Amino acid sequence: KAGVTQTPRYLIKTRGQQVTLSCSPISGHRSVSWYQQTPGQGLQFLFEYFSETQRNKGNFPGRFSGRQFSNSRSEMNVSTLELGDSALYLCASTAAATGGEEQFFGPGTRLTVL
Amino acid sequence: AQSVTQLGSHVSVSEGALVLLRCNYSSSVPPYLFWYVQYPNQGLQLLLKYTSAATLVKGINGFEAEFKKSETSFHLTKPSAHMSDAAEYFCAVSPSTSGTYKYIFGTGTRLKVLA
Repeated sequence: KAGVTQTPRYLIKTRGQQVTLSCSPISGHRSVSWYQQTPGQGLQFLFEYFSETQRNKGNFPGRFSGRQFSNSRSEMNVSTLELGDSALYLCASTAAATGGEEQFFGPGTRLTVL
Repeated sequence: AQSVTQLGSHVSVSEGALVLLRCNYSSSVPPYLFWYVQYPNQGLQLLLKYTSAATLVKGINGFEAEFKKSETSFHLTKPSAHMSDAAEYFCAVSPSTSGTYKYIFGTGTRLKVLA
């Protein structure tokens, strides 16, 4: 079974631009979560989608948004990029509808904002 | 609100020595607890999880962790460190009563194994 895939793996953008990151979960997984990882703040939860509905959202500004498609693939979008948005963005998927099951992480997309 | 504290952002051990990585949590309800490992330029891989079954949890690569409710701790141990254990380790908590996968992660502990 293929793991969680994220595209692209690396991105370089400039301030003010917008970016879209993509995540394909493991086949059959319906929950997709996104995390931002930075050296200063560590791993921070962005949002989680289950069956195309956002179930939970972290404490991030509205510039960060996401969506999930009927095939469970998910995208996150960051508008009006700031230098502080430079980070590794991780996507994770799980099959279960309730908590307690393992989340499977993708390799991440490293975003650099210049 | 839930939180996780990992004591020691960097830990060094000699090859063959005991590995002890500390994790304390704060949760108003019985939580699910996890340890993940991250190797350079990779995503996170689950080492083990606690979901209210046995308090001593065995994971992959010889790691284990013990859930101690009285101490609100979930420390990760391995009897004998191997060079391949050098990585960053994250403790995470998720509420057991929620239908969401919002994990709260600790700040991570980077493990260095000395030859």
